[in-house]
Amino acid sequence: RKEVEQDPGPFNVPEGATVAFNCTYSNSASQSFFWYRQDCRKEPKLLMSVYSSGNEDGRFTAQLNRASQYISLLIRDSKLSDSATYLCVVVGAGGGNKLTFGTGTQLKVEL
Amino acid sequence: ETGVTQTPRHLVMGMTNKKSLKCEQHLGHNAMYWYKQSAKKPLELMFVYSLEERVENNSVPSRFSPECPNSSHLFLHLHTLQPEDSALYLCASSQELTPLDSPLHFGNGTRLTVT
Repeated sequence: RKEVEQDPGPFNVPEGATVAFNCTYSNSASQSFFWYRQDCRKEPKLLMSVYSSGNEDGRFTAQLNRASQYISLLIRDSKLSDSATYLCVVVGAGGGNKLTFGTGTQLKVEL
Repeated sequence: ETGVTQTPRHLVMGMTNKKSLKCEQHLGHNAMYWYKQSAKKPLELMFVYSLEERVENNSVPSRFSPECPNSSHLFLHLHTLQPEDSALYLCASSQELTPLDSPLHFGNGTRLTVT
């Protein structure tokens, strides 16, 4: 089993739709979790941290499910500008304090 | 505008060439990183520096040689590369080495093609 696993997509959704994707991790001792966003041919940028109690930032909601070992990202009212690849990052997936990146989930928001 | 700048943006080199990638961070961070991003693969950590001291070398071939002359600058020296080394090379920095609460700030990357 991969340390961090994501469905590569692409997820093609119409503008205004709600879309959610998950990221599973193999190490139950993993400590911190993040979502990064990477636009085509650009560098990754931090989107949001994922807290145990869940957190929301505008149209974006991140949640952690430790029992099932996954994190999720929910995007409401999708915009064309949300089209990007969303990278899951887990601290401690491979042990210690190392960051492990998922391969990313590609989202395409269409008119 | 990114606080981490990388040069060059694009690089094409032959297998016998020697070249260097440069990274500079203007954020006052203490840790700097080199990552490799290949198509359809997750980011691979190559090297980690904390306060100019290398703290991690992830089994990277010796044809990649990092250098960190000060906490703001990081280089990746390349020589006798292979075509499979073609990838996007990303530099990143973070306030502290411990990543729990210290997110990574990435540069815009160098797209390397080895012919």
